[in-house]
Amino acid sequence: KAGVTQTPRYLIKTRGQQVTLSCSPISGHRSVSWYQQTPGQGLQFLFEYFSETQRNKGNFPGRFSGRQFSNSRSEMNVSTLELGDSALYLCASSLGGGDSNQPQHFGDGTRLSIL
Amino acid sequence: AQSVTQLGSHVSVSEGALVLLRCNYSSSVPPYLFWYVQYPNQGLQLLLKYTTGATLVKGINGFEAEFKKSETSFHLTKPSAHMSDAAEYFCAVSSSNDYKLSFGAGTTVTVRA
Repeated sequence: KAGVTQTPRYLIKTRGQQVTLSCSPISGHRSVSWYQQTPGQGLQFLFEYFSETQRNKGNFPGRFSGRQFSNSRSEMNVSTLELGDSALYLCASSLGGGDSNQPQHFGDGTRLSIL
Repeated sequence: AQSVTQLGSHVSVSEGALVLLRCNYSSSVPPYLFWYVQYPNQGLQLLLKYTTGATLVKGINGFEAEFKKSETSFHLTKPSAHMSDAAEYFCAVSSSNDYKLSFGAGTTVTVRA
């Protein structure tokens, strides 16, 4: 069974640009979550989607947005990039449903560097 | 709101020695607790989880954790460390209808030969 696939693995952008990251969940998983990992702030929750609906959102500015498609694949977009957006962005999928007790399975992440 | 505190950002153990990683949680509702491991340049891999039921949870690679409600703890142990256990370990908490994981700051484990 294929795991969570994130593309691209590495990305270099400059300040002011925008970027779109992609995540394909494990087959059958309907929930997709996004996290930002930095040395200073650690792992921080961005948002979670289930059946194309955002169910929860972390404390990030509106420049960070996401969406989920009918096949459960998800994208996140960051506009007007800042130096502080340099991070490893992790996507995780789970079966979803009405409870949060299902474990989340993580992809290897997209390493975003802002110059 | 839930939160997790991991005691000790770095732990160094000898090969074959006990590995003990400490995690305390704060939650106003019954928590779901998880331990993940992260190797360099990789994502997070689930080691084990506690949702309900038995308080001693066994995971992969010989790790186990015990949920102690009275101490609000979920410490991770492994009886005998192996060189391949060198990695960063994260404790995380969630709860019903929360749809997110709140992570601790992580503990880096070094294994000495």
